[in-house]
Amino acid sequence: QVRLVQSGSELKKPGASVKVSCKASGYTFTSYGMNWVRQAPGQGLEWMGWINTNTGNPTYAQGFTGRFVFSLDTSVSTAYLQISSLKAEDTAVYYCARDLGLGILDYWGQGTLVTVSS
Amino acid sequence: EIVLTQSPGTLSLSPGERATLSCRASQSVSSSYLAWYQQKPGQAPRLLIYGASSRATGIPDRFSGTGSGTDFTLTISRLEPEDFAVYYCQQYGSSPFTFGQGTKLEIK
Repeated sequence: QVRLVQSGSELKKPGASVKVSCKASGYTFTSYGMNWVRQAPGQGLEWMGWINTNTGNPTYAQGFTGRFVFSLDTSVSTAYLQISSLKAEDTAVYYCARDLGLGILDYWGQGTLVTVSS
Repeated sequence: EIVLTQSPGTLSLSPGERATLSCRASQSVSSSYLAWYQQKPGQAPRLLIYGASSRATGIPDRFSGTGSGTDFTLTISRLEPEDFAVYYCQQYGSSPFTFGQGTKLEIK
């Protein structure tokens, strides 16, 4: 069965960096794109962008350029989200989600809570 | 960017009743590329509907989606206790993909 398992919660200080992993299993990793979605505490869902797992080409939504980097390690079927120069407003749950095609998010990771606090 | 506005913000109903959730787009959603997701507290969202009206794998037939252009609806024909959650619409017809702000379906 398809599973996306994300790394555990992180507590970081402002200015630090964090790398969230999303390990896929149960399907051919490079056959489906991977999206990233942010959910701030008590708020709705915000699409951050996606990465083509075949070519490694990332696409970032406005507001997620510069400090946010999507990457892959196809040898272990894992996608990564790295955030640098963390700010308090980056505190959120970050989800990876498989792209069934065209942007339909059919399987989601369990989410990773990133807390930025001094 | 396409802005999605969901209404109502909160819907209070009883099990067995019918729920109608609305999602209105600021401009036409191409090819009815509109999806609905359900999210329960502490859980990841779950895909319910895509292409405005196609049910995702394993979704009960009490969930149905309709609409085109700028107006879309998610209907739950007979509410079960497990259906009380937050529902989000999402358009994927143009980048950036966007979500509505959500409708909370609560037990009356």
